[in-house]
Amino acid sequence: EAEVAQSPRYKITEKSQAVAFWCDPISGHATLYWYRQILGQGPELLVQFQDESVVDDSQLPKDRFSAERLKGVDSTLKIQPAELGDSAMYLCASSPVRQGAWETQYFGPGTRLLVL
Amino acid sequence: AQSVAQPEDQVNVAEGNPLTVKCTYSVSGNPYLFWYVQYPNRGLQFLLKYITGDNLVKGSYGFEAEFNKSQTSFHLKKPSALVSDSALYFCAVRDFTSGTYKYIFGTGTRLKVLA
Repeated sequence: EAEVAQSPRYKITEKSQAVAFWCDPISGHATLYWYRQILGQGPELLVQFQDESVVDDSQLPKDRFSAERLKGVDSTLKIQPAELGDSAMYLCASSPVRQGAWETQYFGPGTRLLVL
Repeated sequence: AQSVAQPEDQVNVAEGNPLTVKCTYSVSGNPYLFWYVQYPNRGLQFLLKYITGDNLVKGSYGFEAEFNKSQTSFHLKKPSALVSDSALYFCAVRDFTSGTYKYIFGTGTRLKVLA
């Protein structure tokens, strides 16, 4: 069964450093999402792509976070500079459906970030 | 805005007993409700969803959920719990208030099934 791939699985960095996370969605999935999950909370959407275009980045802290999906396939989420409060699990998800209330998303295993 | 609430941080149940994980929702318009499960160090896995139709929705791994409009609830249930069901469960609603569909997740309920 096809899965969403993410790397690295774990990342430890010092504050003020730059970090980057990579996601490869299930082949053919047009929609890609990045979520942040703080310990003890549910995932919160950071950015949503439809193919290579951003359709929602209203919750993305744009002063330090950036995301791209240049060819409409894999995606990179970057944080520069990292802050202590960025410590969280970063989840990537994809969906074959171009929007819709009934959409099911497929999640990757996540990247756990620890900022020291 | 749409929201869901999971009133219990943790639910303990003995193996073989029925389990219920509670979720209540607040939406304007038709509710589109989902349950996801998260195992340790893993991403979320889809269990089931309610869009319309039958109030009892059947999903993966023997789970089902009952949609109750009058009580604005969407509780997750399983007739006989397994130790392997121990995980973190999230209720979610689809929200369109920003102009694009997105999930709003609850805070999660940790299910512990005791052998």
